[in-house]
Formats: sequence, C-alpha cells, structure tokens
Amino acid sequence: NAGVMQNPRHLVRRRGQEARLRCSPMKGHSHVYWYRQLPEEGLKFMVYLQKENIIDESGMPKERFSAEFPKEGPSILRIQQVVRGDSAAYFCASSYRQVLSNQPQHFGDGTRLSIL
Amino acid sequence: GQQLNQSPQSMFIQEGEDVSMNCTSSSIFNTWLWYKQDPGEGPVLLIALYKAGELTSNGRLTAQFGITRKDSFLNISASIPSDVGIYFCAGQLRTGNQFYFGTGTSLTVIP
Repeated sequence: NAGVMQNPRHLVRRRGQEARLRCSPMKGHSHVYWYRQLPEEGLKFMVYLQKENIIDESGMPKERFSAEFPKEGPSILRIQQVVRGDSAAYFCASSYRQVLSNQPQHFGDGTRLSIL
Repeated sequence: GQQLNQSPQSMFIQEGEDVSMNCTSSSIFNTWLWYKQDPGEGPVLLIALYKAGELTSNGRLTAQFGITRKDSFLNISASIPSDVGIYFCAGQLRTGNQFYFGTGTSLTVIP
C-alpha cells in the first residue's frame, strides 16, 4: 500500500471530541475517496473528492461529518462531536482519473478510530 | 445501496489446493475489482475487470467478469500460506462514482 499515506494509523477520542483523519494520495493522483469499514464487514463508500471539490458525498452522514481536499495538502475527513458508533476503520483511496474512466483505486492502510 | 453477495464467507483449505470464490449482484456492473486485505492493512488491488466475459490472470490468481455483468469469480491455484487473508470483490455501476464492496471471503490456508 505504499503511495497512499494515511495518518494517524490509530486515533483515540472521547465522546464529544473532534477527530481529524488525513490522507495524502499517491503521487500524481487528484481523485480521493473515503470509505468506512466496521469489523468483519466490507468497505462502505462515504465521499469522493477532487482537488478543492466534493464530487459525490452520497455515503456521508449529513451531520457531524465533513471532508475536504484543498489545493495544497492532504485530504481531511473531519468528524465532530464523535459518538461510540463512529468507531471504525476509515480508509482513503486515490486514483489518477475519475473511476468512470476505468482507473482503479489504490488504498492506504487506514486510520483506526476508537471512541471511549 | 447496492448489495453484493460474496461467497463463501470463509474457507479453510490445505496448502496446494485450488480456491474459488464468487460475487453476485442484483444490478448490472460496469467494472469489477478484486482486493485482498491483511489484518491491520488496507485492501490491495489484485485484479481489475472492465468487460463482460473478460478473463484476467495475475500469477496464480484468475478472475472473470461474468457474462450477465451481475457476477464475478476469483480463483487461486495451488494455494500457499501467504494467501491467507480476506478477499473482497467490488463493483461499479455504469453511472456513479462509488464502488460497492462485498462482505468478504476469509481464507485460511493450512500448511
């Protein structure tokens, strides 16, 4: 999984705090996707971003969750006022072009978020 | 959301045996991907399929894009201990940006 870098690898937060998850895509990739994975389940799509634009956020909860991919710097997934149900592994993937042009996604190693 | 049914849910096989797993959907998909995920890591892309009927190999792995466009198959020949992990299929509709993931097949290889 070298290339897509996520940090931190593990994040512990208390209920009500904010969690910030970072993703640096592979070099040359300008498309970023965030997924959530609960234990023993598949990945669930959350949001798809291009530089400075949110393209598809149909999988993201309407409240407390936000994502950005600024012109400079990593993509950020932000969860405000975290609750126990937010505990999961959050994966970021990147691709060179939009997936509709048959560019597969490459994943990072994820951030494991634990809410106390 | 789309439901991808992946089977079997888990497999326990002897080293050297061949493995087959599949993924089915109620919808027609434009792209199928197969990933392997090791504990504590992200999914690693194994094979990508873009055309109905396409058969693609990657070493001991072979995957096929079903003719109906509603299913895909992954075969592993002559399994070895490092094949242990969870295998996920992922499909993409003709329209839309996201990939839908199956629930995974957990593979255990007994030396």
